[in-house]
Amino acid sequence: KAGVTQTPRYLIKTRGQQVTLSCSPISGHRSVSWYQQTPGQGLQFLFEYFSETQRNKGNFPGRFSGRQFSNSRSEMNVSTLELGDSALYLCASSLDPPGSVSYEQYFGPGTRLTVT
Amino acid sequence: DAKTTQPPSMDCAEGRAANLPCNHSTISGNEYVYWYRQIHSQGPQYIIHGLKNNETNEMASLIITEDRKSSTLILPHATLRDTAVYYCIVRVGGAGGTSYGKLTFGQGTILTVHP
Repeated sequence: KAGVTQTPRYLIKTRGQQVTLSCSPISGHRSVSWYQQTPGQGLQFLFEYFSETQRNKGNFPGRFSGRQFSNSRSEMNVSTLELGDSALYLCASSLDPPGSVSYEQYFGPGTRLTVT
Repeated sequence: DAKTTQPPSMDCAEGRAANLPCNHSTISGNEYVYWYRQIHSQGPQYIIHGLKNNETNEMASLIITEDRKSSTLILPHATLRDTAVYYCIVRVGGAGGTSYGKLTFGQGTILTVHP
């Protein structure tokens, strides 16, 4: 079974631009979460989707948004990019809905975003 | 979610057991202990989770103290491929709480396995 896939793997953008990252969960998984990883802040939760609805959101500005499609694929968008948005963006999928006891999350390889 | 405390780094000889401690003294009754690891340049990988009983799977064992204020992840026969950052996370399980699927990662423990 294929794992979580994220595209693109690497991206270079200029300050002020916007970017869209894509995540395809493991087949059959309906929950998708997004995380940002930076050397200074570590892994931080961005948001989580289940059945096309955002179920939880982390402490990030409104420039960060996301959505989930009916096939469970998800995208996240960052508008008006800042230098501090340079990070590894990780997507994780889970078979179980949010709040489940097990809730094992399977992470993708991430998208490395560099803002210049 | 309760806060966890882990040593910043640990060493282990290949073939020996690696015992990674985690302190979660403020854990609530409905919070589970989860362990993930992240090998360099890869996404985190789920290892194991538990509530109060000891758990074992093909990757590791999880020992939770009776008062649930601390736990230990045991890799029984560490290999070089186990070199990674190990994260201990506590999270409300089930329908309670607002954390839902959110995992709050700390700084973790950098485990280095030596030949």
